[in-house]
This record gives sequence, C-alpha cells and structure tokens, in this order.
Amino acid sequence: SAVISQKPSRDICQRGTSLTIQCQVDSQVTMMFWYRQQPGQSLTLIATANQGSEATYESGFVIDKFPISRPNLTFSTLTVSNMSPEDSSIYLCSANPGPNYGYTFGSGTRLTVV
Amino acid sequence: LAKTTQPISMDSYEGQEVNITCSHNNIATNDYITWYQQFPSQGPRFIIQGYKTKVTNEVASLFIPADRKSSTLSLPRVSLSDTAVYYCLVGAPSGGYNKLIFGAGTRLAVHP
Repeated sequence: SAVISQKPSRDICQRGTSLTIQCQVDSQVTMMFWYRQQPGQSLTLIATANQGSEATYESGFVIDKFPISRPNLTFSTLTVSNMSPEDSSIYLCSANPGPNYGYTFGSGTRLTVV
Repeated sequence: LAKTTQPISMDSYEGQEVNITCSHNNIATNDYITWYQQFPSQGPRFIIQGYKTKVTNEVASLFIPADRKSSTLSLPRVSLSDTAVYYCLVGAPSGGYNKLIFGAGTRLAVHP
C-alpha cells in the first residue's frame, strides 16, 4: 500500500497566524483528501484536491480559510489561515493510489492554537 | 453514499471474539463495504473490504448477508492492541477518486 508522509506532526500556534501542513505520497495519485478530526470525534472531510484544478470544498469549509495546493501528483499542502482556538484539531490527508481498495492516511498534524 | 449505523462503543476482554455489526439499508448495487481501524494519534488504517458473503484476511473476517443491508466485522481473539475505533464505510470502488465519508464509528475497548 502507499505511504503518506505528513508534517508537521504537531504544532502550537498563535491566534491570527497561519500554518501549512504538507503531505507527500510515495506514488502518484489523482486525488488527495484533507480531513479534520476533533478530539474524540470522527473525521470530517474538508476538501478534495485534484492535481491541475482548484480544490473542491465541503459545506462549511472555504478556500480563504483552508487554501490547498496540489502542485503535482505526489504532493499537497493545506494551510489553516488566520487561526483561532476553534481551529485546534487534528488534520489528516489521505489518498488511494489503487488498484486495491484501501485509502491510506497520513499520521496527522495535531494543531493547538493559543 | 449509503448511510451506515454502528454501535457507538463495545467492550471486550482479551482472547474473546468481537463482532461489530454495521447497518446500511440503502446500499447500492455497486457499493462495497469497507472497514477502517483507527488507533489514538494515528490516521485510519484499511482493514478489510467485501461485496457479499464472507471475506477473510490476516486481520479480520467480514460477513455480509445475501440482502447486503448489514455487515459484521469479526475480530478473532482480540488483544489489548485491538483497542481502537472501527469505522464502517459503504461506497463504490473508485480507484481513489471517491471521497470517504466517515460515520461516528465504534469505539472498542479491550480489557485484560
């Protein structure tokens, strides 16, 4: 299966600043997905990133707050902009290089905004 | 995407078999059932996928009745390390194109 390297693994940030999270896949994938997971909760999809086009955001998430880059088929970044304490969460990326069925996830970025 | 319903939590003891059932009454003809496992501080990990009857791998078995409106993940002889959240997802295989929508999952606690 694919391996996704995600960094940073954790960070503590001041409110009003931005943090960029990176995910590197060890094989080419068409789609990459970004999730948010509050402590003790399930995963919530933020957006789908397709190389060569603008990301598609789920309801409740906007590009100005969570800009995404997808410069090539193995890499993506998610930026959490103008952070507030409510943005404190775990952020994960995911992809499925196929041809099997399982999606692979990064190990997550634990973000704390103070 | 078919909605899934599974128990919020389950408790078991080491060495027991654990069966987690997921209901998916609105499953479509081309949908598969997939289970993921998530340990604390890690991303979800694919466990098993099936379409009908029974699928077994080195980690678990998946039982799917003929009507496919439910499925059961079976973990044989659990150990403390099986303590995790287990998610049931239903959708068509897409080769990585389709987004995954996670439900609440089942929080399994294995006790000594």
